[in-house]
Amino acid sequence: EAQVTQNPRYLITVTGKKLTVTCSQNMNHEYMSWYRQDPGLGLRQIYYSMNVEVTDKGDVPEGYKVSRKEKRNFPLILESPSPNQTSLYFCASSQSQGGTQYFGPGTRLLVL
Amino acid sequence: DQQVKQNSPSLSVQEGRISILNCDYTNSMFDYFLWYKKYPAEGPTFLISISSIKDKNEDGRFTVFLNKSAKHLSLHIVPSQPGDSAVYFCAASFVGYALNFGKGTSLLVTP
Repeated sequence: EAQVTQNPRYLITVTGKKLTVTCSQNMNHEYMSWYRQDPGLGLRQIYYSMNVEVTDKGDVPEGYKVSRKEKRNFPLILESPSPNQTSLYFCASSQSQGGTQYFGPGTRLLVL
Repeated sequence: DQQVKQNSPSLSVQEGRISILNCDYTNSMFDYFLWYKKYPAEGPTFLISISSIKDKNEDGRFTVFLNKSAKHLSLHIVPSQPGDSAVYFCAASFVGYALNFGKGTSLLVTP
């Protein structure tokens, strides 16, 4: 089954404790991206990757890092999480940058 | 700068009636438009799309209309069903440009 998976689905952490949210897709898509969804703000892109070892900032990259060492995986790293990063995070993939994106199930993060 | 706008945060419709969700965009370069549907605790799922060479695309109960001169996009759901209750996101892009999402419209279909 074609899908995008994310782990963990739910995470509670404390300020400053590094965390990684994994994302994996099995559709051989070149383009992957991370979004956060906040009330009244919709979906905002954090980072994206056009292909392996090619990543770039989206609209709200501050406080996040990403890597793309393999085509299928695109982890999101919060080196020092802060409460304003409490949000719902989605990973997505598509064949090309402007193409139809397929989303993962989401990771709900609470930073205390 | 919000290039894709969904001006109605919420909409309530009776079961069996038509739901019309609207979306406006400002960038005339956009040539590919999509609608996504999102249930609570799930990721957005692709619903329907339309390219700028068309003005209408239909898929079952869902029809998307594109008015390029007005830079306006709408999604019609006929007939609406309670299972259609969800948040709907409009998105737009062009070649080499990331998808730009609206803030979403929450649709409630009441029995």
